[in-house]
Amino acid sequence: AQTVTQSQPEMSVQEAETVTLSCTYDTSESDYYLFWYKQPPSRQMILVIRQEAYKQQNATENRFSVNFQKAAKSFSLKISDSQLGDAAMYFCAYLTTSGTYKYIFGTGTRLKVLA
Amino acid sequence: GAGVSQTPSNKVTEKGKYVELRCDPISGHTALYWYRQSLGQGPEFLIYFQGTGAADDSGLPNDRFFAVRPEGSVSTLKIQRTERGDSAVYLCASSMIAGAYNEQFFGPGTRLTVL
Repeated sequence: AQTVTQSQPEMSVQEAETVTLSCTYDTSESDYYLFWYKQPPSRQMILVIRQEAYKQQNATENRFSVNFQKAAKSFSLKISDSQLGDAAMYFCAYLTTSGTYKYIFGTGTRLKVLA
Repeated sequence: GAGVSQTPSNKVTEKGKYVELRCDPISGHTALYWYRQSLGQGPEFLIYFQGTGAADDSGLPNDRFFAVRPEGSVSTLKIQRTERGDSAVYLCASSMIAGAYNEQFFGPGTRLTVL
């Protein structure tokens, strides 16, 4: 079975600085998808960025980028130029491509942005 | 509607009671997912529907939990004989179709509290 681990329960970053959130996962599959979701206090999960395992190039979405290390089974999220609105819970998620489309989430990292 | 909606937003019930939680997916989305998020944890998969049928219900914890989607749109998660351990936020998501590359859009969740 696949597992996702987020070892940082909480992180803080100064406004305008850069922060990296860590995620590791375990799987025996070769093809899968990885995601970072943001969950603000409103509880609504918002997709931040997605990475296909077969793509070697790291995904980037504006101020958000990932460092995907397939061999190491690592998938970290880098947030550049942090903004107050980035403060939220961040969840790393794994999605298999083998016929069932359920996410496996990590336990989350709470990001605080300091003004 | 514009997004996934869930009702009620909050539900407080007593141990042993029956509850129904409702999810309205984005119009036209054929796939619908239920997750449960306990305090301090990431969401855990319960069940997903493609159309009217449950494609994967492997996450339902026991036979007290049941979900339906009779017309392929609105879904209801039903919990019988509630227990204090059922207290959690129940999240619903929908996607255009079930598939690895089809983003799941989440609703704001229903916070269930069992006294």
